[in-house]
Amino acid sequence: SQQGEEDPQALSIQEGENATMNCSYKTSINNLQWYRQNSGRGLVHLILIRSNEREKHSGRLRVTLDTSKKSSSLLITASRAADTASYFCATNDSGGGADGLTFGKGTHLIIQP
Amino acid sequence: GAGVSQTPSNKVTEKGKYVELRCDPISGHTALYWYRQSLGQGPEFLIYFQGTGAADDSGLPNDRFFAVRPEGSVSTLKIQRTERGDSAVYLCASSPTGLAGGGTGELFFGEGSRLTVL
Repeated sequence: SQQGEEDPQALSIQEGENATMNCSYKTSINNLQWYRQNSGRGLVHLILIRSNEREKHSGRLRVTLDTSKKSSSLLITASRAADTASYFCATNDSGGGADGLTFGKGTHLIIQP
Repeated sequence: GAGVSQTPSNKVTEKGKYVELRCDPISGHTALYWYRQSLGQGPEFLIYFQGTGAADDSGLPNDRFFAVRPEGSVSTLKIQRTERGDSAVYLCASSPTGLAGGGTGELFFGEGSRLTVL
């Protein structure tokens, strides 16, 4: 089963613009992570935000977490063509669920040069 | 190598055949995870090992799927009597301690094994 739901499913923007992706989840969590996947490749960890944090930055990435709304957003600023990939949120369930991370369906981001 | 290694990268088999997929995690990582990813979907959890034991196998879809990690390092995912619906990319990931071990839960993924069942 998949807990996270990313929105939008697909996003196409011009290089240099900012890209925002959203994730909603259903259960209580310990942390939420964002991963990136280039076509035909494995997933790469981008950033982790704990349940007691509201915002986190890493380079051009900004992640927010609203546990009251069970939602998170990933902002990529000054996008580049190389940012084209699928982006997934993943949650670590605090309610005694499966020990593995639960992933959403992803947002496919296309950066037009 | 420094990363998670999976073999084979591609496997084509016929319906009803037996398949083994191998994962070599990052050295020293005690936690190992198997996920399955269908086209256009996110990874779906299958099984989690802490050391040699399967700590959580709740994601295995049925008893045709089985995984082992006999020495706490390399793991093999075994699929019996394959069906066309088993076609997917099978991803392996490892982490230093795992979620239950108090780690952050950041996973390091391999490139995956693409299984096609004809």
